Amino acid sequence: GAVVSQHPSRVICKSGTSVKIECRSLDFQATTMFWYRQFPKQSLMLMATSNEGSKATYEQGVEKDKFLINHASLTLSTLTVTSAHPEDSSFYICSARGDRVEFSGNTIYFGEGSWLTVV
Amino acid sequence: DAKTTQPPSMDCAEGRAANLPCNHSTISGNEYVYWYRQIHSQGPQYIIHGLKNNETNEMASLIITEDRKSSTLILPHATLRDTAVYYCIVRVEVLGATNKLIFGTGTLLAVQP
Repeated sequence: GAVVSQHPSRVICKSGTSVKIECRSLDFQATTMFWYRQFPKQSLMLMATSNEGSKATYEQGVEKDKFLINHASLTLSTLTVTSAHPEDSSFYICSARGDRVEFSGNTIYFGEGSWLTVV
Repeated sequence: DAKTTQPPSMDCAEGRAANLPCNHSTISGNEYVYWYRQIHSQGPQYIIHGLKNNETNEMASLIITEDRKSSTLILPHATLRDTAVYYCIVRVEVLGATNKLIFGTGTLLAVQP
């Protein structure tokens, strides 16, 4: 299957600072990438959809000024958590949709996830 | 997107088939059924998807009822490494649209030795 890589896998930052998480599609181009957040023992919650070269679309209740998303190329999207607070501590997961010739090959693949701890 | 209903947890003996049910009674004609699984502290892994025909790949089989209101994911010979949360998701596939995945609560499959 297609490979999506996230970096860093774990990060600890101080309250008030910003932290950036990268998401790369390693062996395919992805015009669309998705960012999720997952709290312990809960399901994945979609935060936003990013499209290469355009502004991200945020889900209801997600602060776009706090969670900055940039999708500058067909293989890279970044999520920046600005002015981080302890309640932002969570598992952040990105995914990418492969652009395939076959319509049914519209599968979404996920990264390994990034643990963010804000102290 | 249509919602899905899955049992919160299931047990399965190692080596036996694991049959994970999913109800999606409000599914519409252009929605596919997707299955992903998430092993603890990892990103979700794609398993299989289908529209109306049964599908099989190296990981699993997907059986979709004729009315498409429910489906079953079958892991033919479960191993301890198959212990994970399994998510059944219905997803619109429209060319040129976002086609995002919305996760429900899933089924925690515990494979017992």
